Amino acid sequence: RKEVEQDPGPFNVPEGATVAFNCTYSNSASQSFFWYRQDCRKEPKLLMSVYSSGNEDGRFTAQLNRASQYISLLIRDSKLSDSATYLCVVRGGGGGNKLTFGTGTQLKVEL
Amino acid sequence: GAVVSQHPSWVICKSGTSVKIECRSLDFQATTMFWYRQFPKQSLMLMATSNEGSKATYEQGVEKDKFLINHASLTLSTLTVTSAHPEDSSFYICSARDLVTSKSNYGYTFGSGTRLTVV
Repeated sequence: RKEVEQDPGPFNVPEGATVAFNCTYSNSASQSFFWYRQDCRKEPKLLMSVYSSGNEDGRFTAQLNRASQYISLLIRDSKLSDSATYLCVVRGGGGGNKLTFGTGTQLKVEL
Repeated sequence: GAVVSQHPSWVICKSGTSVKIECRSLDFQATTMFWYRQFPKQSLMLMATSNEGSKATYEQGVEKDKFLINHASLTLSTLTVTSAHPEDSSFYICSARDLVTSKSNYGYTFGSGTRLTVV
């Protein structure tokens, strides 16, 4: 079983749609959780950290469920510029400060 | 904010040659740097953790004699792919920890990556 699992997609959605991505992680001792965005042939960039209390940054909402070892990302009113691959990332849990990346979910926002 | 400079951005080399990739922290000191590799349509996979002044720690399955890592200063880590073969063609990305300024991300800043093509 992969340490961090995501649906690879692609998710093709019209502009303005709301889309949700899910992620599960296998190590219950994991300590920190993030969503990164990666554009084609570019390095990943931090989108937001994820907390159990849930956190929101504009059109983006992230949620962590430690009991289910489940992480989610919700994008509202999607824009063409949101098209990218979204990576679920986990830190810690025996791996120290290492980040473990999911395979990513590809989003394509269309007119 | 913290900036990590990675060079070259892309390189094409002949099979059997060696390629060096540099990763520099421009405005902070990085005691730890991480080297990742990403094949097409796959996730970033950690290759090794580079520690300033000591030997790198390699992940299982990564050949330390093939992927030489040197972290001789607090601002520079290098990855050398020795005797490169076509199967080493990949996107290599470094990451450095800035413990002072990037608290929201626990200090992880990524370089822009190096696309290596071995022909």
